[in-house]
Formats: sequence, C-alpha cells, structure tokens
Amino acid sequence: NAGVTQTPKFQVLKTGQSMTLQCAQDMNHNSMYWYRQDPGMGLRLIYYSASEGTTDKGEVPNGYNVSRLNKREFSLRLESAAPSQTSVYFCASSEVWGGGFNQPQHFGDGTRLSIL
Amino acid sequence: EDQVTQSPEALRLQEGESSSLNCSYTVSGLRGLFWYRQDPGKGPEFLFTLYSAGEEKEKERLKATLTKKESFLHITAPKPEDSATYLCAVQTGGSQGNLIFGKGTKLSVKP
Repeated sequence: NAGVTQTPKFQVLKTGQSMTLQCAQDMNHNSMYWYRQDPGMGLRLIYYSASEGTTDKGEVPNGYNVSRLNKREFSLRLESAAPSQTSVYFCASSEVWGGGFNQPQHFGDGTRLSIL
Repeated sequence: EDQVTQSPEALRLQEGESSSLNCSYTVSGLRGLFWYRQDPGKGPEFLFTLYSAGEEKEKERLKATLTKKESFLHITAPKPEDSATYLCAVQTGGSQGNLIFGKGTKLSVKP
C-alpha cells in the first residue's frame, strides 16, 4: 500500500543549483498535483496535471517546471534554486468523477528542501 | 476571491475535553469541502468529504458538519493520539478540481 511516493525526503541545495523532485503513485489516478507548504501559510498549488499528457499552472508556478512522465509519475523541477524556494513540497493524486467533482487527494510524505 | 479561514490557529485540550474546530469559506460555487489530518513530518491524511449543507460525516471521535458558510470538525472525548494539525480545503466550481486550503488548526491533547 505505497500510495504516493516522493523522493528524496530531504535535500539541501545552493542558490542557483537545479534539482528534480520525483513523485509516483500506484493508485491508477488520472490527476496529480504539486504543492508547497510554508510556515503560516496553507498548502499552495504549484502545478497540476489533470490527466496524462496535460499540465497546468497553479497559484505559485514561477521558478518551477513539471513533467507528467506517464500516468504514474509527475516530477517537479527547480531550474535555478532560490532561497525563497526553501519549503516542504508535497505531491498528491486523485481521481475525477463526472462533472468535475474530485475524489479526495492523497498525499505523499513530502520533500523537505533547503536552499542556502 | 475565494478564501478559506480556519480557527482557532491552535487549540489545547485535556484528554476527554470535547471541542470544535471551525472552517469558514467564501467561495464561488462550493463543489466539496475536505478535512485532512497532518502529523509532524507527514503528508496530509484524508478524513472527510462534505458536499452539501446539512451533510454530516463521522469517524471514531470525529464528526464533520457543513453549512452554507462554514464547516465544523467536532472532537468528542479526545485522546492524546488525536493531537495533529487539522486542515480544511474547498473545491470550487471554477478550480478544475483544485483545492484551496486553510492554514490549519494545531490541536494538542494532554493526558
């Protein structure tokens, strides 16, 4: 019962370095999401993929890129890391019912990223 | 602008002391309200979905209710293991299934 698996769990980067965060789900969900969580803020959506082959910007997409590699995998890339991107990053997946009503999103345990 | 506000920010209870957490929302066309539990160092864990005013859901010591403006998460006779941050999120008609999260309520239950 793996659910949503994120790698790595922790990472420290220097300003300007690049990195890809990996996410895989084994629930056969069509939709996948990337969030960031900062102290005093709610979870904020970075990018999402409603289905394989599609990606769209969320609330805070600047400085990030994503790739929906296949139905299972959705990666988040920081091309040139900045200290403001220090955060905990969560990946989630869900299924979609008819009419746009989603089933609940299921989350991984996060990647804790520090940028010096 | 769609908004979700949770109160209080933090709540300390004695074991067995029942209370409620509040989630108020201002959104255009609610399609669903979700409650999650988040333990330190972990991702949010799904608890309940509510879709229409008047709906109620229960799970062990937790009961979630929904009105047209807010949702309550009632905790009856809490135990220390109920200590966690509880998150509320709403799905609106214009969000393509995306969720807007509140900042959460951190609950501490002391034995």
